[in-house]
Amino acid sequence: QKEVEQDPGPLSVPEGAIVSLNCTYSNSAFQYFMWYRQYSRKGPELLMYTYSSGNKEDGRFTAQVDKSSKYISLFIRDSQPSDSATYLCAMSASGGGANSKLTFGKGITLSVRP
Amino acid sequence: DAGVIQSPRHEVTEMGQEVTLRCKPISGHDYLFWYRQTMMRGLELLIYFNNNVPIDDSGMPEDRFSAKMPNASFSTLKIQPSEPRDSAVYFCASSKGQTSTDTQYFGPGTRLTVL
Repeated sequence: QKEVEQDPGPLSVPEGAIVSLNCTYSNSAFQYFMWYRQYSRKGPELLMYTYSSGNKEDGRFTAQVDKSSKYISLFIRDSQPSDSATYLCAMSASGGGANSKLTFGKGITLSVRP
Repeated sequence: DAGVIQSPRHEVTEMGQEVTLRCKPISGHDYLFWYRQTMMRGLELLIYFNNNVPIDDSGMPEDRFSAKMPNASFSTLKIQPSEPRDSAVYFCASSKGQTSTDTQYFGPGTRLTVL
């Protein structure tokens, strides 16, 4: 079993839809959970960052972590064509910077149709 | 800030040739990371440096791969000899790394094709 599993996709939704992206993991040491967005032919950019369990909201984006189930989600409300990208979940036992090793999911490609 | 700079953006080479990828991290960032991204394996950490010193190279696939960071503003990833299975997008990322919430900023990547 890989440390981080992510739904392979691709995913296509109409504009305005609510999108749910998910990852599961097996390493109980993971404490920091991130979602990166990667546009075509670009490097990943950090979208959301959460520590431990709970929810975090930023505009149309909500990140949710359930450590008891080893399950994280990213919700996108009122999806826009500009949200079309590949979304990667990432996790770390020690954060995103100091002494960190991020383990990434393989990513899911989202397409939002106008 | 110019962000993380990588060169070349695209590299096409023949099997057996030496390939050198270059990275300039964001000024003031103490951590530098090299990743490889493929469809099959996703994004994988190859090696990372702290203050120019390699900390963890356990992700380097084999001895054909080597990485150096001679100073705070420059790093190289070298593949010698290259093989077709090395074809991938190679990303460099940097981070301040001072707190657990510091994030990694990725460069645009180098798309390597080995024929």
